[in-house]
Amino acid sequence: EPEVTQTPSHQVTQMGQEVILRCVPISNHLYFYWYRQILGQKVEFLVSFYNNEISEKSEIFDDQFSVERPDGSNFTLKIRSTKLEDSAMYFCASSQNMASNTEAFFGQGTRLTVV
Amino acid sequence: SQQGEEDPQALSIQEGENATMNCSYKTSINNLQWYRQNSGRGLVHLILIRSNEREKHSGRLRVTLDTSKKSSSLLITASRAADTASYFCATDGGNAGKSTFGDGTTLTVKP
Repeated sequence: EPEVTQTPSHQVTQMGQEVILRCVPISNHLYFYWYRQILGQKVEFLVSFYNNEISEKSEIFDDQFSVERPDGSNFTLKIRSTKLEDSAMYFCASSQNMASNTEAFFGQGTRLTVV
Repeated sequence: SQQGEEDPQALSIQEGENATMNCSYKTSINNLQWYRQNSGRGLVHLILIRSNEREKHSGRLRVTLDTSKKSSSLLITASRAADTASYFCATDGGNAGKSTFGDGTTLTVKP
């Protein structure tokens, strides 16, 4: 069964450093998303991406964050100048389309720890 | 703002019993989805129910949706220890790309 894969599974970084979280969405999907889940809290939407541009972003997704689809398979989330409060599980998801009856498939997540 | 809220926050049952989790939301939706998350792991999609549907089944899972009450329930029948996980509802609010997740219900099934 096709799946969304994320790497690395766990990333530890020093405060102030830049990190890039990587995702390989399902191959025939056109819509891509990033969510995050701070430990013990709910899953929060960050950004959606379609046709090589951001479709929608949340208040969380400020100038510190950026997304990119550098090639035909990868979808990345870059976090510049990381802060302690960026520590969270980051989930990538993809869907075939954005119709109201579409299921989004989630990856296993990258646990980011900022120290 | 739209928000899914599950109750109870935590549920502990014996293997073989049924587990019912509820979700309430605030604004109109196109669909509501239920996800499962094992501790520290990713989200696994369970069921999507559209706003014009009232009930949906998948194996031991039964989901209901009452749009007049803005609520949904997830029933797991004949629970197993392996069902132990957190369960989340997520609503789309007209934009299926952006899902709004609830706080989740932590289910513990004791063998």
